[in-house]
Amino acid sequence: AQSVAQPEDQVNVAEGNPLTVKCTYSVSGNPYLFWYVQYPNRGLQFLLKYITGDNLVKGSYGFEAEFNKSQTSFHLKKPSALVSDSALYFCAVKSNTGKLIFGQGTTLQVKP
Amino acid sequence: DVKVTQSSRYLVKRTGEKVFLECVQDMDHENMFWYRQDPGLGLRLIYFSYDVKMKEKGDIPEGYSVSREKKERFSLILESASTNQTSMYLCASHKGRWLDQPQHFGDGTRLSIL
Repeated sequence: AQSVAQPEDQVNVAEGNPLTVKCTYSVSGNPYLFWYVQYPNRGLQFLLKYITGDNLVKGSYGFEAEFNKSQTSFHLKKPSALVSDSALYFCAVKSNTGKLIFGQGTTLQVKP
Repeated sequence: DVKVTQSSRYLVKRTGEKVFLECVQDMDHENMFWYRQDPGLGLRLIYFSYDVKMKEKGDIPEGYSVSREKKERFSLILESASTNQTSMYLCASHKGRWLDQPQHFGDGTRLSIL
């Protein structure tokens, strides 16, 4: 079955420390992978995507993600967290039928 | 910038009512989607449309229908609202057929069914 898993409901990190939000996927063929962020009472905003090419993808607001085919992972990273990064993060993969499958979301809490 | 506008941010309706949620995008996107978002469940696809007058069921279409009479507008209809349809509803759009482009989302409609 095609799926996306975000194993952590919440990630806590201190401001200035590096952060990682984990994502693993299960889909046949070459995956199209996306990260989105959702601030309170807002829709989702696109952060970055992996379609092909370099395994390290850079996106908006200083975020990056590393595609690892052998581990079927696409973890979101940032070298130095900001309090304003606190939000709900979603990983998504394009299914074989062309639809997006979303993970359940991970709440990132960055404390001053 | 792409703008996806959902007509209501908050909506309160009663059980059994027919409810319309409207979504308009301004970038001539072919593809439009309706999701519902519930805590711990992520986003689940209700219906989507690849063209005017075209619709396809998503993963949870029961109790819902859609209408796409114009390219820019995609409406979600709750035929007879029930309390288990209380949720956040998100509309999205994207250009192109193969989803290598990101989806653009509206700010959502928080719907409460009493």
